[in-house]
Amino acid sequence: DVKVTQSSRYLVKRTGEKVFLECVQDMDHENMFWYRQDPGLGLRLIYFSYDVKMKEKGDIPEGYSVSREKKERFSLILESASTNQTSMYLCASSTTGYTGELFFGEGSRLTVL
Amino acid sequence: GENVEQHPSTLSVQEGDSAVIKCTYSDSASNYFPWYKQELGKGPQLIIDIRSNVGEKKDQRIAVTLNKTAKHFSLHITETQPEDSAVYFCAASIGGGGFKTIFGAGTRLFVKA
Repeated sequence: DVKVTQSSRYLVKRTGEKVFLECVQDMDHENMFWYRQDPGLGLRLIYFSYDVKMKEKGDIPEGYSVSREKKERFSLILESASTNQTSMYLCASSTTGYTGELFFGEGSRLTVL
Repeated sequence: GENVEQHPSTLSVQEGDSAVIKCTYSDSASNYFPWYKQELGKGPQLIIDIRSNVGEKKDQRIAVTLNKTAKHFSLHITETQPEDSAVYFCAASIGGGGFKTIFGAGTRLFVKA
């Protein structure tokens, strides 16, 4: 069974803290994504990566960075968390090719106090 | 930029009735239209998709229609069941790999037993 695993389901952090969200996929997919989900706004793309050490900005990259040192692992980093980054974060992966299907993890709900 | 509008934001139906969710997209280059279902506490999962060279696709109780001229696509669920209760997202993308996937804001479907 294909799987995208996000290491933390729930996190509570304080303003200014550095936050790491980890994602691992076991499908040997080339592409990995970080989305942010907020009510009424759908899913918005933060960053994506199409290869190891490669990254591209999505629609809302401000305040975030990413790291992809291994093919199966994609990390989202909040250098200095702010309250407006309280949200649900979803990691996804896909394979390069005709299909555009995204495989999502179960999400990480981050609260910044 | 590309925009996907989804309606309604909330939909409540009686068990056994049909449910219809509608989306419009702005970029005429979009050629792949997936629908994702997100159950409580889980990540979105692909339930059906359609490509721009097809007008309709059906899979058991769910069907999707696409009108390229009007840039509309819709999800139809017949004989709804309580387990259909979830948030549904439409999306539009260009090409494979999922890179340029734009999501609608989501529809929360309640199926009353």
